[in-house]
Amino acid sequence: QVQLVQSGAEVKKPGSSVKVSCKASGGTFSSYEFNWVRQAPGQGLEWMGGIIPIFGTPNYAQKFQGRVTITAYTSTSTAYMEMRSLRSEDTAVYYCARERNCSTTYCPLGYWGQGTLVTVSS
Amino acid sequence: DIQMTQSPSTLSASVGDRVTITCRASQSIGRWLAWYQQKPGKAPKLLIYDASSLESGVRSRFSGSGSGTEFTLTISSLQPDDFATYYCQQHNSYSYTFGQGTKLEIK
Repeated sequence: QVQLVQSGAEVKKPGSSVKVSCKASGGTFSSYEFNWVRQAPGQGLEWMGGIIPIFGTPNYAQKFQGRVTITAYTSTSTAYMEMRSLRSEDTAVYYCARERNCSTTYCPLGYWGQGTLVTVSS
Repeated sequence: DIQMTQSPSTLSASVGDRVTITCRASQSIGRWLAWYQQKPGKAPKLLIYDASSLESGVRSRFSGSGSGTEFTLTISSLQPDDFATYYCQQHNSYSYTFGQGTKLEIK
């Protein structure tokens, strides 16, 4: 049974950075893509990027390119999402989500963490 | 990026009703579409992938269809547990994109 456990809620000042972790258990860590999806209060889901640990090269949504860094470490089965230059609009719940097995290159998100609320406020 | 558009944004229905939610892609995505259910304060849950494949453990009253640019999610007989928000997502290519969501409310 795959489980993803994320780090706790954060309160940050505008202009600062945040790093959210996602520890996986069950299943194989290194060969599945770990994605980050965020949801602003009362809003929809927004894909930020993802990484397959065994390859190590992340893919990002253009909107987050240059401001977000996604990493993953097989030694600890943990993925991370770091966002810099935070602004109030980044206040959201951040989810990590692992792809499920599928028959194509890009797979749906079958396993989700519990979410981490990041609040950006002065 | 591929844009995903869901309709309706809100749907009011009663227990036992058959409901359908539509998702349209701005360009063809083959059959690479997923549907998720989200309840307040919870993470999304995968219901359907590859347009029509039912995720393990999901009730058979949920079904999906479509290909190319037009897709539907159907709930054959609404149950109290089904009142939630539903999102479609294309998994055809990066960047993955979601529809804006359909909130299913009790009439």
